[in-house]
Amino acid sequence: RKEVEQDPGPFNVPEGATVAFNCTYSNSASQSFFWYRQDCRKEPKLLMSVYSSGNEDGRFTAQLNRASQYISLLIRDSKLSDSATYLCVGTGNQFYFGTGTSLTVIP
Amino acid sequence: NAGVTQTPKFRILKIGQSMTLQCAQDMNHNYMYWYRQDPGMGLKLIYYSVGAGITDKGEVPNGYNVSRSTTEDFPLRLELAAPSQTSVYFCASRQGSNQPQHFGDGTRLSIL
Repeated sequence: RKEVEQDPGPFNVPEGATVAFNCTYSNSASQSFFWYRQDCRKEPKLLMSVYSSGNEDGRFTAQLNRASQYISLLIRDSKLSDSATYLCVGTGNQFYFGTGTSLTVIP
Repeated sequence: NAGVTQTPKFRILKIGQSMTLQCAQDMNHNYMYWYRQDPGMGLKLIYYSVGAGITDKGEVPNGYNVSRSTTEDFPLRLELAAPSQTSVYFCASRQGSNQPQHFGDGTRLSIL
């Protein structure tokens, strides 16, 4: 079983929609979690860190549920520029990336 | 603020050639990583290092070697290039075990 698993999508949503991604992790000892954004053929860039019960940054909200071992990312009022692949990450001895969820925001 | 710097950005190799992908960070980070990403696929960890003089294998280490003689530099060596090593290579670093990773721009490598 992979350390971190996420639905690869693709998610195709209209502009202005709200979209949510979930990610599950298998290592209950994982301490920190992150969401990254990766544009086509570019390096992953940190979108949000997720600590304890979660956090919000503008249109983006990340939640951590330790009991069920999943993290989520909610994007409100989707913009065309949100189209990208979103990677969830859990840390343990290493840094475990999910395979990514593809989002396309349609005009 | 340079962050993580990878060179070269692009390279074409012939089968059997060797080369070194360079990675340097100026953030005094202890942890450094090498990943490869094939088209449409996720990141796969090749090697990582938790500090100068310490390296460990990741998920796909075969065909690669690394060294970490200084905190700043973490070069990745391909000894006998094979077509299966055509990929985009990303180097990343982070300060501590609960800190996020910072990535370089990547090296796009084609082996023909």
